[in-house]
Amino acid sequence: AQSVTQLDSQVPVFEEAPVELRCNYSSSVSVYLFWYVQYPNQGLQLLLKYLSGSTLVKGINGFEAEFNKSQTSFHLRKPSVHISATAEYFCAVSDRNTGNQFYFGTGTSLTVIP
Amino acid sequence: NAGVTQTPKFRVLKTGQSMTLLCAQDMNHEYMYWYRQDPGMGLRLIHYSVGEGTTAKGEVPDGYNVSRLKKQNFLLGLESAAPSQTSVYFCASSAPLNRGDTQYFGPGTRLTVL
Repeated sequence: AQSVTQLDSQVPVFEEAPVELRCNYSSSVSVYLFWYVQYPNQGLQLLLKYLSGSTLVKGINGFEAEFNKSQTSFHLRKPSVHISATAEYFCAVSDRNTGNQFYFGTGTSLTVIP
Repeated sequence: NAGVTQTPKFRVLKTGQSMTLLCAQDMNHEYMYWYRQDPGMGLRLIHYSVGEGTTAKGEVPDGYNVSRLKKQNFLLGLESAAPSQTSVYFCASSAPLNRGDTQYFGPGTRLTVL
């Protein structure tokens, strides 16, 4: 089974500053990678996903993530954050070949400070 | 197109009571999932189903049962509720994951067991 590590449980950042949320996964087998966002009292929404091709993936709300196979990482970035980005962010992995489930990280709580 | 819906949104139970959570999806998805979300622990998979009439255990199945009698519905049952089952429960659905599809989440059910 896969394991997903989100290295920071909480990330405070000032408005308009850049932010990076880190995600590492355990296995070198072929995987699909996802980032989800959860706003307070809501379900999870897809931000972006990596399936194949270019290692830099762009998603909604100006977020992007870079797949690094050698480091088994999929870090999420945004050059300038707005206060509306305050939310919980989850990294997830599924196995390309045998996958019938997702493996989620424990989440990173992003707080944007005005 | 309602997506994934969950019933009820909130519930309070006493220890030992039983209840059923209903999840419905209108996207004709084969796969459906039940997760629980607890602070600092991310999403943990309880049970999942890869098709009508099939179910499988996830990471934390004890104390829960599920049924998938119709493709669009996935029921989660608690036979004898315990305070440790106080949590937010999310249902999700997807196409087969080896195609790189994402999971679509419902809005959640907040359950408190006294």
